[in-house]
Amino acid sequence: DTGVSQDPRHKITKRGQNVTFRCDPISEHNRLYWYRQTLGQGPEFLTYFQNEAQLEKSRLLSDRFSAERPKGSFSTLEIQRTEQGDSAMYLCASSPGGGSEAFFGQGTRLTVV
Amino acid sequence: GQNIDQPTEMTATEGAIVQINCTYQTSGFNGLFWYQQHAGEAPTFLSYNVLDGLEEKGRFSSFLSRSKGYSYLLLKELQMKDSASYLCAVKRNYGQNFVFGPGTRLSVLP
Repeated sequence: DTGVSQDPRHKITKRGQNVTFRCDPISEHNRLYWYRQTLGQGPEFLTYFQNEAQLEKSRLLSDRFSAERPKGSFSTLEIQRTEQGDSAMYLCASSPGGGSEAFFGQGTRLTVV
Repeated sequence: GQNIDQPTEMTATEGAIVQINCTYQTSGFNGLFWYQQHAGEAPTFLSYNVLDGLEEKGRFSSFLSRSKGYSYLLLKELQMKDSASYLCAVKRNYGQNFVFGPGTRLSVLP
């Protein structure tokens, strides 16, 4: 399977714990995006990488959130001191750049209890 | 800033045609994309427009008017499997990220 892969698919954590999600983009894609989606809403942009450079971060991304793409391949999204409001689907997408569409992974569903 | 509007819900009958509208206000427009998302699944790409006019892909067509900030997705010969949310997204020419609308939940009835 050469699609975008995310791990884990589901995560349940207690409030205050740290969590980390991983995204493996399509191999030749240099652009990688993280989005958050809650029920009944469209995806909200969190951050964007071109290769290893993090070029844009949403104001939604508080200082408890950090994302990395150390070698321009896979990316991680960490949430520290999770809160119940962080419960959502976290989607990763990649694209080859230019005017191309983004391809989404299956997402990681986070539940904070 | 960006603002994208879509109807929240629509209902149509199997075999019919449905048009889902999207209006947007954004700076630095670089394309309008349509995605389909079934419940609990990832969005999948359907169609995109960069220039004004109609793009046709099988049962799906998408139209764009940049001067009006308006697009629509046309679904023909509706099937039960078309019941899903349809997301309109604008790509900006700086930052390069996609800004999504709230989505339109389409229910196809027999």
